[in-house]
This record gives sequence, structure tokens and C-alpha cells, in this order.
Amino acid sequence: GAVVSQHPSWVICKSGTSVKIECRSLDFQATTMFWYRQFPKQSLMLMATSNEGSKATYEQGVEKDKFLINHASLTLSTLTVTSAHPEDSSFYICSARKGLAGGRNEQFFGPGTRLTVL
Amino acid sequence: AQTVTQSQPEMSVQEAETVTLSCTYDTSESNYYLFWYKQPPSRQMILVIRQEAYKQQNATENRFSVNFQKAAKSFSLKISDSQLGDTAMYFCAFYRDYKLSFGAGTTVTVRA
Repeated sequence: GAVVSQHPSWVICKSGTSVKIECRSLDFQATTMFWYRQFPKQSLMLMATSNEGSKATYEQGVEKDKFLINHASLTLSTLTVTSAHPEDSSFYICSARKGLAGGRNEQFFGPGTRLTVL
Repeated sequence: AQTVTQSQPEMSVQEAETVTLSCTYDTSESNYYLFWYKQPPSRQMILVIRQEAYKQQNATENRFSVNFQKAAKSFSLKISDSQLGDTAMYFCAFYRDYKLSFGAGTTVTVRA
């Protein structure tokens, strides 16, 4: 299988605080993980690509100092939203890349984390 | 950058009937993958079907099939014998260089 978990599934925090979201690949090693942001009834927007042991690559327009990504092991990536504000409220989804037979790659998605900043 | 266009924000279909979702994309590459993902109310992304660009044969997965027209850069999804559990948002996605680019999504509602 290829299971990806996220924790927490839902978090509420006060404006100005920081929140950490974990993404784990439970039954495979993922050299690359991805973080997406999704607003209600909208598409997934890639925020950053996280490679194990190296700095994340951020998409244009994403503040790297606000959205800190750490990929310390082959099964864990974390997204920290620093000094969160209400406009950071969103659904955050991670995915992990797994190599498959025949040289294919596929991304497996976590269940998402709903962040609400008051 | 690749762009993926889904021109149908919402579609409704009667249970047991067929619905087709459209998707077009723009790329200058010749080797890539295309996907359809389903996002039900739980918001868990579920892979529905995959198509390799170098394959001319259209992919099928049970009740789901695609019509892949490479020259036209079109990749539509057909859901046959629609079931209530098919109610979800469906995203078309382009995959190359390990990155997925998603369309805006189509919300499909299956009516009993």
C-alpha cells in the first residue's frame, strides 16, 4: 500500500501563533513530499516541494519565511505556519512521491489539515 | 508552466446514467502523464484513472474511462452507471517532472 497521514486533521489557533502540521508516509519512504493549499470549492495549489535532507523549493508567491518546511527523514515532512493570521485559514494537503514498478512515480495524498486562525 | 482547464464547474447526473467531464491542457512536452482525481466530501484525494501520454489506448478503470486526444490536448473522463458514491469534486491533473498541476475542478452530483 501507500498510506500518507497528516496530523492534526483540524487545528484552531489564535492570530500571531505558529502551527505545525505533520505529514508522514506510513508504509513507504518518500524522498519527495509536496504541500498544497486548498480554499473551499477551489483547486489545489502547490506551495512547495520538500526533499529529504535539503531545503524546500517554494512556488512563486509563497513566503518561505512564513511557511517553514522541514523534511528531516524519508517518512516525515512538517509545515509550520509562522505568525498565523486569519487569511492563512485554509485546507492544507500533503502528498508523498513513491516510485512504482516500471519507472513510474505517483503521488499519494494525505487526508488534509483544516487550519482556522481566529 | 502547464495549464489545465476544466470548463464545467458543476454537473448533475441521474443515478445509473453517464456523465462526461471535459479537460484540456497546454504543454509543449511530449512525455507526460494525465490523471483524474476524485475529492469526495471527506476531502481525501483519490486517484481515479491515469493515462500515459505515449500510450494511444485510452485508459479504463471499471466504470471510469477517458478519451485522450493528444493532438487536441484533451483528456475527458466518462463515468458510466453513475452511483451516489461518485458525488465529489473531480480534478484533472497534468504530471511532469514530479509536479502535478490541477484544473479548477468539476463538482459532480449524482441524483437518486
